[in-house]
Amino acid sequence: EVQLVESGGGLVQPGGSLRLSCAASGFTFTSHWMSWVRQAPGKGLEWVANIKQDGSVKGYVDSVRGRFTISRDNAKKSLSLQMNSLRAEDAAVYHCVREGLGSGRILDFWGQGTLVTVSS
Amino acid sequence: DIQMTQSPSTLSASVGDRVSITCRASQSISRSLAWYQHKPGKAPQLLISEATSLESGVPSRFSGSGSGTEFTLTISSLQPDDFATYYCQQHYSGGSFGGGTKVEIK
Repeated sequence: EVQLVESGGGLVQPGGSLRLSCAASGFTFTSHWMSWVRQAPGKGLEWVANIKQDGSVKGYVDSVRGRFTISRDNAKKSLSLQMNSLRAEDAAVYHCVREGLGSGRILDFWGQGTLVTVSS
Repeated sequence: DIQMTQSPSTLSASVGDRVSITCRASQSISRSLAWYQHKPGKAPQLLISEATSLESGVPSRFSGSGSGTEFTLTISSLQPDDFATYYCQQHYSGGSFGGGTKVEIK
C-alpha cells in the first residue's frame, strides 16, 4: 500500500524557519519525482516545489524560490522541505505528493498533509 | 505562467444529476490536463490525467474531455460520495491549478 506521511508542521513566527518531512512507503521511491503542494485556509491548491529522482533537478514556484529548499534522502525514502523566512501567506496545509511515472507533474498519490501556521 | 480558470466556483446539484465543470487555460496545453477530487481533511485524489484518461479505480461515471485551452469534467450521475471540491491542473508546464469547483447538495 502506498503511503506518504508528512510531519513537522506547527506554529512559527513570521521570519522563522520550519522543516517538513515526508516518509514514503509502498512503492519504489527512486522511480518518482516528488512534489510539495499546499493549500492555504479557504484557498485552492498551489504547487510549491518538486525534485527529480536523484535530486539533481529541483523546481520551485516563484513565491518560495530562494526561501524554500526541497531535498530527498533515497536511502531513507524521505522527502523534506526546508522553509526559511516564513511569511503569513505561507500558512497552509502542505501535502507531500508523488508524481506519476514519466508523467510531467501528474500528481498521482497525495499524503494527508501537515499544517503550517505563521503568526506572531 | 499558464493560468487556469475553472467555472463555476460552486455547483449545487442533486443525487442522480449530470454535472459538468469547465476549465480553461490561458494558452494551449494540448491534452496535458488533470482533474482531482478533494474532500475536507482528506488527501486529494487524482481522477483523470491527459484530459481523458481515467485513473484505475475511479468510477466510470467520471469522464474528461477537451484539448487546447478548454476542458470539461463530467459526472454522469452524481452520487452521495461525489460531493467534494474538484480541481483542474495543467501538467504541460509548471503544474498550475484552477481555483476549484465545490459540488454541494442542492
